[in-house]
Amino acid sequence: KQEVTQIPAALSVPEGENLVLNCSFTDSAIYNLQWFRQDPGKGLTSLLLIQSSQREQTSGRLNASLDKSSGRSTLYIAASQPGDSATYLCAVHQGSSNTGKLIFGQGTTLQVKP
Amino acid sequence: KAGVTQTPRYLIKTRGQQVTLSCSPISGHRSVSWYQQTPGQGLQFLFEYFSETQRNKGNFPGRFSGRQFSNSRSEMNVSTLELGDSALYLCASSRTGAEQYFGPGTRLTVT
Repeated sequence: KQEVTQIPAALSVPEGENLVLNCSFTDSAIYNLQWFRQDPGKGLTSLLLIQSSQREQTSGRLNASLDKSSGRSTLYIAASQPGDSATYLCAVHQGSSNTGKLIFGQGTTLQVKP
Repeated sequence: KAGVTQTPRYLIKTRGQQVTLSCSPISGHRSVSWYQQTPGQGLQFLFEYFSETQRNKGNFPGRFSGRQFSNSRSEMNVSTLELGDSALYLCASSRTGAEQYFGPGTRLTVT
């Protein structure tokens, strides 16, 4: 059974710092991995999608990497800003097909202090 | 392009009642998935519909059901509500099931 773990559960940093959020999964047979952001009481905003054949994806100040063999992904946020404060979730698509079933980690709640 | 919309945004129901939630996917998306989010269990997959057929199902009791219409809009129904059904219910749409886009959610409170 696939399990997704995110460490740390919470993180507080001063504005301007670069930071790394971690995601690990127990079964390397994934189709892709997706990172999301969730603001309190809101839905999820897709940040980055990494296909299983890719090693990383970049969007602006965000960079996500994927190492399937070790069951790990990281989300790197450069020059953090107070507006980055939110909960970050990683999710994996299990198996070899693109069926719409995501397995989520518990999330990392990030606070960026001005 | 309009995003995923969910109605209603908030609901308060009493134990034993039933509820229906609605989700309109992004235009052109044929896959709609439903998730339940609670503080204790996090985000858990309920089911997925693709072209009006249930393609995947999570580990929830039969009180939770859904359907999808020919225009890809989807509804989720929960019968005989329990206190533990209080949660944020999120739907997500996708063209194929791969990259998913989420709606704002429906906050259900069961009293």
